[in-house]
Amino acid sequence: QQQVKQSPQSLIVQKGGISIINCAYENTAFDYFPWYQQFPGKGPALLIAIRPDVSEKKEGRFTISFNKSAKQFSLHIMDSQPGDSATYFCAASKETSGSRLTFGEGTQLTVNP
Amino acid sequence: SQTIHQWPATLVQPVGSPLSLECTVEGTSNPNLYWYRQAAGRGLQLLFYSVGIGQISSEVPQNLSASRPQDRQFILSSKKLLLSDSGFYLCAWSFGIGQPQHFGDGTRLSIL
Repeated sequence: QQQVKQSPQSLIVQKGGISIINCAYENTAFDYFPWYQQFPGKGPALLIAIRPDVSEKKEGRFTISFNKSAKQFSLHIMDSQPGDSATYFCAASKETSGSRLTFGEGTQLTVNP
Repeated sequence: SQTIHQWPATLVQPVGSPLSLECTVEGTSNPNLYWYRQAAGRGLQLLFYSVGIGQISSEVPQNLSASRPQDRQFILSSKKLLLSDSGFYLCAWSFGIGQPQHFGDGTRLSIL
């Protein structure tokens, strides 16, 4: 079964701290790993994505770390801000599947001022 | 630039009534289109995807159907809604295989 397991379900971080969300996948054919950010009442917005040919990708305060052998990837939010409070989803797909994304269950991040 | 529109934003329907949700994309041609359902506090489940007009792939057996009558129009339908059809329905598009998906703002469907 193609699953993506995400943890933790919820996370509370102080302003300026580092938020870390982890995901693990089972299907070794997955070759595209995006992270989405969703605010209440809105659709998910693509935040950052990685392919398995690199172990890390950084865009501003957001970094994806990828461990192919462990079949795990994580999102790090540096200098977390109250505006980062949202639900974050990891996902995975394989290109030959027509880009059908398999999503994790989501992590509700709260950044306290 | 490309934009995606979904309507209505919210909908309350009685059990057994029909459903039609519409999604349109502007600013691109021949996009891949997707319908997802998100249960409260849960991740997204892919329901249907389409790589072209009239081409629909169903991911899970259910009470819903999808159609793509025009290149940039994707419709989610049901003949008779069930209580279990309640949820947040999201439409997404991508340029093609291996390209990022971009989501609309969804329709919150409540079945009474």
